[in-house]
Amino acid sequence: DIVMTQSPDSLAVSLGERATINCKSGQSVLSSSNNKNYLAWYQQKPGQPPKLLIYWASTRESGVPDRFRGSGSGTDFTLTISTLQAEDVAVYYCQQYYTTPPTFGQGTKVEIK
Amino acid sequence: QLQLQESGPGLVKPSETLSLTCTVSGGSISSSDYWWGWIRQPPGKGLRWIGTIYYSGSTYYNPSLESRVTISVDTSKNQFSLRLTSVTAADTAVYYCARLDNPSGWFDPWGQGTLVTVSS
Repeated sequence: DIVMTQSPDSLAVSLGERATINCKSGQSVLSSSNNKNYLAWYQQKPGQPPKLLIYWASTRESGVPDRFRGSGSGTDFTLTISTLQAEDVAVYYCQQYYTTPPTFGQGTKVEIK
Repeated sequence: QLQLQESGPGLVKPSETLSLTCTVSGGSISSSDYWWGWIRQPPGKGLRWIGTIYYSGSTYYNPSLESRVTISVDTSKNQFSLRLTSVTAADTAVYYCARLDNPSGWFDPWGQGTLVTVSS
């Protein structure tokens, strides 16, 4: 299984400031055949299911605000929330779908400072 | 708009079998473009993929659970189901169903989830 490790486990950011979440995969999730990174990001608010934010490491799902940006390649990835809003308080997960089984990071909790 | 809804008992006794059903509405489970999966989340913990099924019945399972898991599909009812045998307290979790665009792709959308507690 590919182990996905997120950092930090939690962070507190002031409203309007930037939040940065890192995700590292135990092996590269970049495909040489199509040059795509098999990496997705989700947002999970309390009592709700996860919501897909980003796939292919940097493609925003339809309807996701552009303050959410995914970047990175190979084994190192970042989710950036450019200007944190109150409604962004949640746990964020990365997931690789390069190999079966698909695996998730342990999650990063984002709170308001 | 595609929606998924999990259903089944919220309490299962140890050593018994957990059975859940996911009903798909707003779209056909027989679409050749998609697969259908189960994921679980123990209380306060992270997400783990259980397995995925295609409308034809082809399946992929997480090796860590494969010996106890069966996922099936009923295209006439637009449903797919999960069976997990010989459950223990470690199987207590919120169980989600979701759609994928390939056997181990990203998950979107998700059902609301259903909490299954394993306890005597």
